[in-house]
Formats: sequence, C-alpha cells, structure tokens
Amino acid sequence: DTEVTQTPKHLVMGMTNKKSLKCEQHMGHRAMYWYKQKAKKPPELMFVYSYEKLSINESVPSRFSPECPNSSLLNLHLHALQPEDSALYLCASSQDGTSGNEQFFGPGTRLTVL
Amino acid sequence: GQNIDQPTEMTATEGAIVQINCTYQTSGFNGLFWYQQHAGEAPTFLSYNVLDGLEEKGRFSSFLSRSKGYSYLLLKELQMKDSASYLCAVPDSNYQLIWGAGTKLIIKP
Repeated sequence: DTEVTQTPKHLVMGMTNKKSLKCEQHMGHRAMYWYKQKAKKPPELMFVYSYEKLSINESVPSRFSPECPNSSLLNLHLHALQPEDSALYLCASSQDGTSGNEQFFGPGTRLTVL
Repeated sequence: GQNIDQPTEMTATEGAIVQINCTYQTSGFNGLFWYQQHAGEAPTFLSYNVLDGLEEKGRFSSFLSRSKGYSYLLLKELQMKDSASYLCAVPDSNYQLIWGAGTKLIIKP
C-alpha cells in the first residue's frame, strides 16, 4: 500500500463551525505533514509530526490544531476559520523526515470557508 | 537565505522535448526534488538528485549541477497528459522542503 488517503475530499464550513480533516497512511512512515496550498502557488508547510510528536509548527494560527493519534493517522481540527483559509489542504508522509526521503501526498481536501 | 527560481510557464508541442530549469540558493545542500502536479490534484514525486549528473527515468530525466546551483527536468516525447505544473524543491537544514513557485507546462497538439 503506497497510498495516503484523506477525508473528506471537499468541505464547506461557516466561520463558526468546528470540523476535522483526516489523513491516513499504511506505509510505515514515521513523518507526516500538513500543507496548505492556494491556487497557482506551491504547497505551504503548516505542521510536521515525526514519530508521532509535533516537530515543526510554521507559526500557524491556533484556529488550526493538529493531532497525531498514532503512527498511521493525522488529523487537522478546524475552528473559527476565516474565508482566507479556503484552500487545498494536503497531507503527506515520508519514511522518517530526513533528507532524501520523498514525500507521498494524499489527494487533498478542498476547503471552502463561507 | 534560501531561494528557488523556475520559469512561471512554458509551452511545448506534443511529441517534442522540453527542458524546465530550476536554480537554487541554499545554505547547505541536501538534494533536490522534482514533483509533478496536475490542476486540482496532489503533487507526485518525479525525481531526487543529490549527486551531479543526469538521472534518467523513462521519458523523464533530471540533471543536477551543485557547483552552479542548477537543475533541470527534461521531458521527452511529450504527451497531452504531461500538461501540469512542475515543482522544484530542496530540503532546508531541518529537511523540510522549500518549494519553487512551479512551472506550468502547456502542451499543444
């Protein structure tokens, strides 16, 4: 299994809603990532988990809250988002987060905040 | 600081060859990645170069010159399905990817 899965594929939410994005991989990878991507821009790193511990938080607003329940799962909890948070949210995983390890990306969740 | 430059857009003809360049400036070097991304889809890995020279993988090849801070992706026998954005990325000192802005490749019949 060389796949990263993400649910849901599409999400529309209001600014007062609470929702969660889910990501799963069964490749035995120990590094998992959340990226945000706006149209015609490269992916923008948000969080990195390494061996189930948060290792990098790229100064992301607290309305985004990551969680790594186990080595295969990664969640992103959303609360009180703003319309400018509308984007494609990509999850990725790699063997152990060191150089030379390619990142495998999930299909993404297209988020629209109204 | 770290900087990656690649052309914004390129156009090529089906069946032809196209070369997409990437120049980078980094403190330290941990290799260079190329990813392909179709519109609305996730990036997919194409190649990783850490040593100088050309690496060939089917219709796609990637070249690296560390002394020049330069890489290119060569696509041969272009097909319509190759229309996509091509992203160059280098790991920083924490091994997290610094991405170029991407090159949108348009293939015409």
